[in-house]
Parts: sequence; C-alpha cells; structure tokens
Amino acid sequence: EVQLVESGGGLVQPGGSLRLSCSGSGFSFRSDWMQWVRQVPGKGLLWVSRINSESTSTNYADSVKGRFTISRDNAKNSLYLQMTGLRAEDTAVYFCTTSGGDYRSPRFAFWGQGTLVSVSS
Amino acid sequence: QSALTQPASVSGSPGQSITISCTGTRWDVGGYDYVSWFQQHPGKAPKLIISDVNDRPSGISTRFSGSKSGDTASLTISGLQPEDEADYYCCSYTGSSQYVFGTGTTLTVL
Repeated sequence: EVQLVESGGGLVQPGGSLRLSCSGSGFSFRSDWMQWVRQVPGKGLLWVSRINSESTSTNYADSVKGRFTISRDNAKNSLYLQMTGLRAEDTAVYFCTTSGGDYRSPRFAFWGQGTLVSVSS
Repeated sequence: QSALTQPASVSGSPGQSITISCTGTRWDVGGYDYVSWFQQHPGKAPKLIISDVNDRPSGISTRFSGSKSGDTASLTISGLQPEDEADYYCCSYTGSSQYVFGTGTTLTVL
C-alpha cells in the first residue's frame, strides 16, 4: 500500500521559517519525481515545487521562488520543503504527491493527508 | 502563472452527463497533452481521475472521460451518481517547467 505522510506544519510568525517533511512507502520513491502542492482551506490547489529523483533538477512556483527550497533523501524515502520568509498568504495545507518518472505529466497519483501551515502574529 | 479557468459550479441529476471545461493558453493546455483531472471530497486529499488528457488510471470508473481541443480541456462525467458530488480540478504542465491548476469546479448532484 502506498503511503505518504507529511509532518512539520504549525503556527509560525511572519518572516519565520518552517521545514516540512514527507515520508513515503509502498512505491519506488527513489525513482519518482516528487511534488509539493498547497491549498488554502476552502480554496483551490496551487502547485508549489518539484524535484527529480536524483535531486539534480528543481522547479518552483513564482510565488515561492527564492524563499522555499525542496530537497529529498532517497535513503530515508523522505521529501522536504524548507520554507523561509513566510508570509500570511503562505497559510495553507501542504500536500506531498508523486508524479512517477515522467518530468512533464501531472500524473499525481498518490497524495499525503496534508499538513497545515499557519502564518500569523 | 495564472490559474486555468474552470466554471465555479456545475450541477446535474443522477444518471445525467455533465462536462467541466478547463481553459488555458498555448503555453500550458494548448501546448502539451499533459492535462490531469482531480476529484476532491471535503476534508480529503485530491484523487487523480484522468491523466494525459484522456487516460484513466487503474480503478477509475469508465464514467469519467477527458478530452482537449485547442487551449481547452474537458472532463465529462456520464451517468452521474451521488458520490460524484465533489470539487474537480484540472492541472496542466507549462512551458516554464511548472504546473498550473484550474480554479476548481464544484459539482452538485441534484
């Protein structure tokens, strides 16, 4: 059974930092592109970032570029999102998801349950 | 990157068919056959129901189908069932090595 479990969310002040983690099992984690997607409660989905299997290629949404850093540790089947310079508009549930080996297809087949990040003073 | 445009809401009666549109530009939907559709029930994670415009993942009902014409992709749900009531999102690859989601559509089964 495929499982993705996010952790690390919480309440942080504007300008602060937070590191999200996502632990994967039941699929070929080290072969897959991995992604972060966020959703403001009650609102739509927003793609945040992605990383390839070997950590040699990363991409970011314009709204987080320069503030967020995606990384992974294949030995631990883990994906990370380091978030700095957090803003109120970054408040959302953050999901990790897989997209297999294709670098273009948004075939996000498996999702975690999400972790809530709240940015507020 | 602007979100792809979807109707805010659609509705239909059980047994009917509905279609949800997803309009982008030549830099995303129109430029690639890499459009997925997701179903999301309240409080749940999104679920992939269509990938690569018209490919159904294993286990997804044949009542769900996708298509694309120009800059607009479409999701059709036939034989509506009460459990189809949910939010639906399209997503496309873009020329900037990014992805963009649609604005989302709430489906109500009357």
